[in-house]
Order: sequence, then structure tokens, then C-alpha cells
Amino acid sequence: AQTVTQSQPEMSVQEAETVTLSCTYDTSESDYYLFWYKQPPSRQMILVIRQEAYKQQNATENRFSVNFQKAAKSFSLKISDSQLGDAAMYFCALYNFNKFYFGSGTKLNVKP
Amino acid sequence: NAGVTQTPKFRVLKTGQSMTLLCAQDMNHEYMYWYRQDPGMGLRLIHYSVGEGTTAKGEVPDGYNVSRLKKQNFLLGLESAAPSQTSVYFCASSTWADGTDTQYFGPGTRLTVL
Repeated sequence: AQTVTQSQPEMSVQEAETVTLSCTYDTSESDYYLFWYKQPPSRQMILVIRQEAYKQQNATENRFSVNFQKAAKSFSLKISDSQLGDAAMYFCALYNFNKFYFGSGTKLNVKP
Repeated sequence: NAGVTQTPKFRVLKTGQSMTLLCAQDMNHEYMYWYRQDPGMGLRLIHYSVGEGTTAKGEVPDGYNVSRLKKQNFLLGLESAAPSQTSVYFCASSTWADGTDTQYFGPGTRLTVL
């Protein structure tokens, strides 16, 4: 069975500071993909960053980076220089065999 | 290029009524998905399709049916709506062709069953 766990229902960060969102997953497969999606109040899901399990190098997209620990099955998202527009729900997701499995989400608040 | 669109955006049904949600994508993607999102539970996969004319069950398929008669459309049907189906429904599409396998989501449909 594939599962994705986000243990932080809600987090807060001061504008311009750094925050890390946690995600752990469970799969018996060796080949899979991991994603972070952002869902603002508009409800539209927006891709933040993507990581292939076979790549050891951590993915980076501008202010967003991940810490991928394959052995520990951990996939955390670091947001640097937080902006007010980063406030949203963030979902971690695992993909293999044509299916996505999502965590329950972390609500990120950004304080001005 | 509209991406993924969903119709309708909002709907209120009475228990036992039926309805169809339409998802359309203009990116020529092979894969399409229907999810439901409930508070505190993230997204759960209802049904998915890996190509025109094919469908498969996801994590929570009971009470729903789907059809993919055209590559660009993926329909989600509720034959006899129940209050437990009150949720926000998201459609998504993806492709392997660009090597990213990224899912592109529609804006969602908020369904209330009374």
C-alpha cells in the first residue's frame, strides 16, 4: 500500500523567513515520483516542485527546494524568503503505477 | 490554451438525484483523473483513465461512474447522489510525453448533496 503522511496540519512563518514542511511516505516500489502541490484559496492545485526517486540530487525551483531522503522515505519542502503569496495549503504527493497518492495537507500562514 | 476546465463550478443536489461532471483538457494528455477533496483528508482518487476508451478504479470508486469516449473529455457521473458525496471534486490530466508526468488540475467543482 502507498501512503503519504503530512504530520503538520498548520504552520506559520514570518515574511522573508524560511520554513520547512514535512512529508513522509511509504511504498515498496523503488521507482516513483514525489511532488509538492500548492492550493491557494482559489482551490486550484499548482505544482510547486517534482522529484524523481532515482535522482539523488535534491530538486530546486527558485525559492523552493526539497530534502529527499530515500532511505528514510522523507520528502520535505523548504521555502526560503517566504512571501505573502506563499500562504496556501501544501500537499505532498507520491506517484507510481498511474496513480497519485496525496497527503492530508499543511496549511501555511505567512505573517507580514 | 485553457488547460483543464470543469463544468459546473457549483452544484446542489437532492439525495437520489443524478448528475454528470464534465472535465475537458486541451493539452492532448493521455491520462485523466477524478479526485474528491474532503476537509482534513487531502485528495482521494475516484477513477482514472490512461487513454481514450479506458477507465480504472481508484481509491474511492463506489457510487461513481466514469467515461472517456473522447481523449479530451473525462466524465464523472453520480447515479443516485448521497449526502456522503458532498465534496469538492477535482479533475486532472497528465502525460508521459514531456517526461515530467506532472498533473495539471482543473479549478474544482463544489458539490452539495442535501
